Amino acid sequence: QVQLQESGPGLVKPSETLSLTCTVSGGSISSYYWSWIRQPAGKGLEWIGRIYTSENTNYNPSLKSRVTMSVDTSKNQFSLKLTSVTAADTAVYFCAREVAASGSRYFDPWGQGTLVTVSS
Amino acid sequence: DIQMTQSPSSLSASVGDRVTITCRASQSISTYLNWYQQKPGKAPKLLIYAASNLQSGVPSRFSGSGSGTDFTLTITSLQPEDFATYYCQQSYSTPRTFGQGTKVEIK
Repeated sequence: QVQLQESGPGLVKPSETLSLTCTVSGGSISSYYWSWIRQPAGKGLEWIGRIYTSENTNYNPSLKSRVTMSVDTSKNQFSLKLTSVTAADTAVYFCAREVAASGSRYFDPWGQGTLVTVSS
Repeated sequence: DIQMTQSPSSLSASVGDRVTITCRASQSISTYLNWYQQKPGKAPKLLIYAASNLQSGVPSRFSGSGSGTDFTLTITSLQPEDFATYYCQQSYSTPRTFGQGTKVEIK
């Protein structure tokens, strides 16, 4: 079955760029949308954006000016870059596959999540 | 953006209780509504998709209903492993949005 694993630095300095990678195993990265979702401690879930191909992306307008997503099909990976981070970007970051079924779309599976702390 | 509002934000229930959580969308989303369960320190787990379809492997005590703007997640007989936080999520349009969550606690 498909499994996702996030990787990247757990600590980023304010004003710098947060970079995360999600590695997909057990299936191909092609033909699906792949999303990043984050969750500050004790709070709810925020969708950051999704990527299908490098030319087909959708970002949350609240973060659009700072977000870039990319995909590397040769490595079965997709990535997130979030620039000019502040303490408000401290959160657990999840990657997830968006599946289309029964006329709807849903997130399944999810990665286990990785905590990113923004602090000097 | 489509706003998703869940109620209640938290509830206390006993094992064996019937539990109902509601989710309201700020505009009609047909049946583009999913439900997830999240336990502390874990990723959310899909329970229900397209408003009423039970994900494979999810116990039949979980069910979903609704269309348009109003949706319900029901747990018919609460089990110890069901104490968790539940989120609804719309997939009608981007940005994808989630409800604020409903925490189900032990009474």
